[in-house]
Amino acid sequence: DAGVIQSPRHEVTEMGQEVTLRCKPISGHNSLFWYRQTMMRGLELLIYFNNNVPIDDSGMPEDRFSAKMPNASFSTLKIQPSEPRDSAVYFCASSPRGLIHGYTFGSGTRLTVV
Amino acid sequence: GNSVTQMEGPVTLSEEAFLTINCTYTATGYPSLFWYVQYPGEGLQLLLKATKADDKGSNKGFEATYRKETTSFHLEKGSVQVSDSAVYFCALDAGTALIFGKGTTLSVSS
Repeated sequence: DAGVIQSPRHEVTEMGQEVTLRCKPISGHNSLFWYRQTMMRGLELLIYFNNNVPIDDSGMPEDRFSAKMPNASFSTLKIQPSEPRDSAVYFCASSPRGLIHGYTFGSGTRLTVV
Repeated sequence: GNSVTQMEGPVTLSEEAFLTINCTYTATGYPSLFWYVQYPGEGLQLLLKATKADDKGSNKGFEATYRKETTSFHLEKGSVQVSDSAVYFCALDAGTALIFGKGTTLSVSS
């Protein structure tokens, strides 16, 4: 099992550009979560999906952020336009049905907006 | 609402010292509780878990006991190693997603 795979590992972009982060969850996991990690705010839940359907996006900070899950094996988080305050590490995690087993996290994407 | 409170770090210890990282929670019902560890430059890894009151989770020498009466899930290790230096997160199952504490940085020196 390759685990949760995120790409790219690092992204540096200029303010105003569109950024797309990608995630491949573990096969068979029903739920997928996007988190943002910063020194100031810690881990923030942005959005999560159950069976490819977005369930709660109340953590998405602004309309500049959007997420999709077109199928069970792929999800994207898009920021358009990006701003310097979006600089953070973005994690994707997946879990099987129910949370009793916790999550499996990807290695994260470190985003720097200059 | 649901929340997790961890002791603030950093925690600085010498090798072979005893470790305790405090975690308390607020929740409706009796959620599953977790400890995750994050090594530099990596994602979070599940360290241990407990799913009901009085359960003890353990892994790699770390232990934590689910205490319903004190709503706590403190992480302990009898003898830390330099390789244990990392950030430790306490979390609870809020039914739809995990809620994490802010993390506690542990630094172990030889």
